[in-house]
Amino acid sequence: GAVVSQHPSRVICKSGTSVKIECRSLDFQATTMFWYRQFPKQSLMLMATSNEGSKATYEQGVEKDKFLINHASLTLSTLTVTSAHPEDSSFYICSARVSQAGQPQHFGDGTRLSIL
Amino acid sequence: AQTVTQSQPEMSVQEAETVTLSCTYDTSESDYYLFWYKQPPSRQMILVIRQEAYKQQNATENRFSVNFQKAAKSFSLKISDSQLGDAAMYFCALGNSGNTPLVFGKGTRLSVIA
Repeated sequence: GAVVSQHPSRVICKSGTSVKIECRSLDFQATTMFWYRQFPKQSLMLMATSNEGSKATYEQGVEKDKFLINHASLTLSTLTVTSAHPEDSSFYICSARVSQAGQPQHFGDGTRLSIL
Repeated sequence: AQTVTQSQPEMSVQEAETVTLSCTYDTSESDYYLFWYKQPPSRQMILVIRQEAYKQQNATENRFSVNFQKAAKSFSLKISDSQLGDAAMYFCALGNSGNTPLVFGKGTRLSVIA
């Protein structure tokens, strides 16, 4: 149980393109989802926390107009990288958790984004 | 603020041997939870083990066990009978009972030598 599906796993696109990444909780309802960015050989950097039906909470330094997050249902959150540039190239990974206290975060398999 | 510190950027272990990865944390919460995640080269984040702070008994999952020292705020991971497939980045994480995200350490890269 507790499977999180993230799609696509790999994106290569031209500079200026907008890219949408989907994160789905397949067998549980996720009231809260998290989006992370990971640079090579580093830890996960939290970008934002999204709660179903409300605006996402962005971490300091993360441009909310660049990284649009939508959490329209209890099983789906999307991250859209708008007008992507080469410096946005990175590994993005989503995570979901049920609201019960002490439950771990379950992670998607990540999306490797390459902007040419 | 909650913090998690992993002081060993890299560790190595011989196959079939035992290795311990260190983690210390700081929190003012009385109700919290600790986790170890494994990230192999595929970059998938895999939950290894979980510990509730209110439990004195150390969690165990097959070859993986923890040494939870609450007073010292220490949460080390012991891997017994190490296997080649254990080679990965290991992240220690701290969470509380709310909807706030886990706080991760910087990770320890474990190599397993055949």
